[in-house]
Amino acid sequence: DIQMTQSPSTLSASVGDRVTITCRASQTVNSWLAWYQQKPGKAPKLLIYKASSLQSGVPSRFSGSGSGTEFTLTISSLQPDDSATYYCQQYNTYRSFGQGTKVEIK
Amino acid sequence: EVQLVQGGGGLVQPGGSLRLSCAASGFMFSRHWMSWVRQAPGKGLEWVAYMRHDGSGQEYVESVRGRFTISRDDAKRSLYLQMNFLIAEDTAVYYCARDTIGGMSGGQMDYWGQGTLVTVSS
Repeated sequence: DIQMTQSPSTLSASVGDRVTITCRASQTVNSWLAWYQQKPGKAPKLLIYKASSLQSGVPSRFSGSGSGTEFTLTISSLQPDDSATYYCQQYNTYRSFGQGTKVEIK
Repeated sequence: EVQLVQGGGGLVQPGGSLRLSCAASGFMFSRHWMSWVRQAPGKGLEWVAYMRHDGSGQEYVESVRGRFTISRDDAKRSLYLQMNFLIAEDTAVYYCARDTIGGMSGGQMDYWGQGTLVTVSS
């Protein structure tokens, strides 16, 4: 099974900051990686697919990059509505998620 | 509008069984793989199973293999998860999700159900 590891587990940043979350895979997933945002009590929301493709309707301040085993999700200018937990997910072999990164607003 | 409306869930004793359902509308259900994902209380997301668009194959996470069965009824536009021999560790909110289109590379889940809570406890 492919293990996905995210870092950091929690981060606190101010409105307007540039925020980066890292996701590492235990073996290559090529570019078959997605990012999700989840708010408490809600279903996850797809942000990015195929490592860097922005899902329709998602603000352009969200971007993804990487391939192989290392990926990043970047929020270019953090907004209050971005307070949430973010998950990466590989779909190269079956499916598996990272453990999540909680983003808090200072 | 794409919608996934879930049913089932509830309290079940250890060793018991439960069947979850997911009714789809607003898209060509028969063209899509479908997945189940769960989230234990206070924990992260865990993929549970997927089924190919044509029912030709399904896969499961190791921890549920042999106990859970995913199935679909394209005529009813519905996805199911039959859960047997339930254990406390299966306690979670279960989500159904629309997966990739058959015949195309992919595996991102772009639409999700509202989630249903399964509690395994005596």
